[in-house]
Amino acid sequence: KAGVTQTPRYLIKTRGQQVTLSCSPISGHRSVSWYQQTPGQGLQFLFEYFSETQRNKGNFPGRFSGRQFSNSRSEMNVSTLELGDSALYLCASSSGGEDFGPGTRLTVT
Amino acid sequence: KQEVTQIPAALSVPEGENLVLNCSFTDSAIYNLQWFRQDPGKGLTSLLLIQSSQREQTSGRLNASLDKSSGRSTLYIAASQPGDSATYLCAVPQPGGTSYGKLTFGQGTILTVHP
Repeated sequence: KAGVTQTPRYLIKTRGQQVTLSCSPISGHRSVSWYQQTPGQGLQFLFEYFSETQRNKGNFPGRFSGRQFSNSRSEMNVSTLELGDSALYLCASSSGGEDFGPGTRLTVT
Repeated sequence: KQEVTQIPAALSVPEGENLVLNCSFTDSAIYNLQWFRQDPGKGLTSLLLIQSSQREQTSGRLNASLDKSSGRSTLYIAASQPGDSATYLCAVPQPGGTSYGKLTFGQGTILTVHP
């Protein structure tokens, strides 16, 4: 079966801009979660969507938002980018146990 | 609030050694526990998923155990190889929740296996 895919894989943005990342889950998986990974904070949970509804949310500012479409594909958006938003953003889909995508490396300059 | 701790933070061993990675968690009301591997700059690869009703899971040279009552899990790697070099992470879902999403991760163990 095809794994979780994320696009784009790499992204460079400037402070103040906004960015949208995309995630396609494994076929049949209805739960999609997003995580931020940085050297200092490790892996931190952003939010989880299930059947187009946000079911869980981590402790991130409102600049971080997401949505899920009827085909379970998900997007996350970060507005007004800050230097500290530079990170590897990982998406995971689940049917009990998480399967992760390769991530999107975001660099904010 | 669930907290996950992994010991040791780093481990360097010669090829062929058997080794043990440790993971502890503060709230035992978990649905499952998952071990992942991460290569530098890459995503996470799931190694083993242990349900709360299970004591252990095995996959090839890997064996993971779970002791919910003491809040501990152990990942055992037999006959280590240089290709096992990676960061190993354990993670648990939110206490009392489902098996979906909102994982809390440990900081990981960086494993180096040298020839």
